[in-house]
Amino acid sequence: RKEVEQDPGPFNVPEGATVAFNCTYSNSASQSFFWYRQDCRKEPKLLMSVYSSGNEDGRFTAQLNRASQYISLLIRDSKLSDSATYLCVVIATDSWGKFQFGAGTQVVVTP
Amino acid sequence: DAGVIQSPRHEVTEMGQEVTLRCKPISGHDYLFWYRQTMMRGLELLIYFNNNVPIDDSGMPEDRFSAKMPNASFSTLKIQPSEPRDSAVYFCASSSIPNVNTEAFFGQGTRLTVV
Repeated sequence: RKEVEQDPGPFNVPEGATVAFNCTYSNSASQSFFWYRQDCRKEPKLLMSVYSSGNEDGRFTAQLNRASQYISLLIRDSKLSDSATYLCVVIATDSWGKFQFGAGTQVVVTP
Repeated sequence: DAGVIQSPRHEVTEMGQEVTLRCKPISGHDYLFWYRQTMMRGLELLIYFNNNVPIDDSGMPEDRFSAKMPNASFSTLKIQPSEPRDSAVYFCASSSIPNVNTEAFFGQGTRLTVV
């Protein structure tokens, strides 16, 4: 079983709609969580960190559920420019320093 | 700072040849990571270094792969001999001490094709 798992999608979303997706992690020692964004044929870039109490950054909301070991990302009022692959990233205390990436969830926003 | 710099950007080589990928991390970053990305397997962590010392190389696929970090500003990933299944995008990333407020910065990647 992979340490970090994501639904590969694609999630096809009409412009202006809301889309949400999860990422599950298997290591209970996981302590730091992130969402990265990767555009086609580009390098991954940090979208936002995920804090225990949940956090927002504009139209993006991230949540952490430690009991069920998953994090989520919600995108409101989707823009065409939100089309990308969203990568879930986890760092565990028993392998400190190791940024463990999920395979990504593809989001396609359509006009 | 120019960010993480990788070279070459593209590499096409014949099966059996040696391939060397290069990475210059961001100055002051203590951690350096080598990832491989394919459609089938996503982004896989191959190896990472802390203060130039390899910490975890469990992701290195086999003995044909080796990585070094001779100093804080340079790392190499070598494949010898290369095989077609090694074709992928190889990313190098660097970060400061990892915590919830730390970002891993990626280079633009090396797109390797082994024919």
